[in-house]
Amino acid sequence: QVQLVQSGAEVKKPGASVKVSCKASGYTFTSYGISWVRQAPGQGLEWMGWISAYNGNTNYAQKLQGRVTMTTDTSTSTAYMELRSLRSDDTAVYYCAREGGVGAAESFDYWGQGTLVTVSS
Amino acid sequence: DIQMTQSPSSLSASVGDRVVITCRASQTIGTYLNWYQHKPGKVPSLLIYGASTLQTDVPSTFSGAGSGTHFTLTITSLQPEDFATYYCQQSYTTPFTFGPGTKVDIK
Repeated sequence: QVQLVQSGAEVKKPGASVKVSCKASGYTFTSYGISWVRQAPGQGLEWMGWISAYNGNTNYAQKLQGRVTMTTDTSTSTAYMELRSLRSDDTAVYYCAREGGVGAAESFDYWGQGTLVTVSS
Repeated sequence: DIQMTQSPSSLSASVGDRVVITCRASQTIGTYLNWYQHKPGKVPSLLIYGASTLQTDVPSTFSGAGSGTHFTLTITSLQPEDFATYYCQQSYTTPFTFGPGTKVDIK
């Protein structure tokens, strides 16, 4: 069965960086894209960006441009999201999600379990 | 960016009630509209994609309709496990924006 397993919770100081991993299994990794979505405490869902696991093409939310980098390692079927220059308002649960492709209207059909990133001095 | 709005922002309902949630897009998105259910402490789950196609294993009490800029999610008979927050999301163009959510709780 399809699974996305994320790395564990992180506590970072303002200005630091964090890198969250998302290991996929149960499907052909390079056949689907991965999006990253976050949810700050008490807030809604925010799309951060997307990476093609096929060719590494990326598309980032404009508000995060310059601070976020998404990569994949096809040898281990793992996607990564790195966020730099962390601020307190980056405190959130970060999810990876598989994009179901054109046949599923590019919806997010499988999600990782979430990674809590806390930014605090 | 395409802005998504939802109404109501919250509602209280009883088991067995019919619930309708509305989602509007700031510009036409065809049927590139998806609905997710999110329970506290859980992972969001896909309910409906392409405006009206039920995801595998989602109960038929859920249905979606609409195209262009106006969409609805209907729960025909609310069950105890349906109390959650529901988000619409457009996948027509990046950034793939979500609506602000509709919280459904117990009356």
